[in-house]
Amino acid sequence: AQSVTQPDIHITVSEGASLELRCNYSYGATPYLFWYVQSPGQGLQLLLKYFSGDTLVQGIKGFEAEFKRSQSSFNLRKPSVHWSDAAEYFCAVGAPGAGGTSYGKLTFGQGTILTVHP
Amino acid sequence: EPEVTQTPSHQVTQMGQEVILRCVPISNHLYFYWYRQILGQKVEFLVSFYNNEISEKSEIFDDQFSVERPDGSNFTLKIRSTKLEDSAMYFCASSWGPKNIQYFGAGTRLSVL
Repeated sequence: AQSVTQPDIHITVSEGASLELRCNYSYGATPYLFWYVQSPGQGLQLLLKYFSGDTLVQGIKGFEAEFKRSQSSFNLRKPSVHWSDAAEYFCAVGAPGAGGTSYGKLTFGQGTILTVHP
Repeated sequence: EPEVTQTPSHQVTQMGQEVILRCVPISNHLYFYWYRQILGQKVEFLVSFYNNEISEKSEIFDDQFSVERPDGSNFTLKIRSTKLEDSAMYFCASSWGPKNIQYFGAGTRLSVL
């Protein structure tokens, strides 16, 4: 069964500093990977996705992530954090359903809460 | 931009009562999902629904749970007899295809007393 680990429960950075949120996955085949962000009282908003091809993917709000198969990682990065980036971030892996047909079930990590200091 | 709408935003119920959580997916989407997040825990997959039937369900999705698409726009999750441990945030999601982006609603917070 697939699983996702986000080792950092809570990260605090200063505004303008760079950010890297870690995500490791366990899955027996080529995964498709996502990062979602959740602000208080809001739903989960997709930041970026990886299905295949270029292992460095660009997302919204200046975020990017790099898929590293050898490390089973899909870390999220941003070169300069803004106060509005404070939120909870979830890494997720998509996997086929029973019988090998992909129905899109997502498995999420625990989430990383990002606090931004002015 | 189209969005997934969930109602109510907060539902309070007594243990043993039935609740129905409602979702309006994005109109041209074909795949529908329910997830839940117990406070302090991971977002967990409950069920996926395609072509008017359940495609996949998790171990959590036992006989107390059911899903329905009663008309062309709504997608509901019913819990027949709620337990204290059903208290969670329930998210509905929809996508055009199984490998397409899943768009999530803002969630319904269910509190079972």
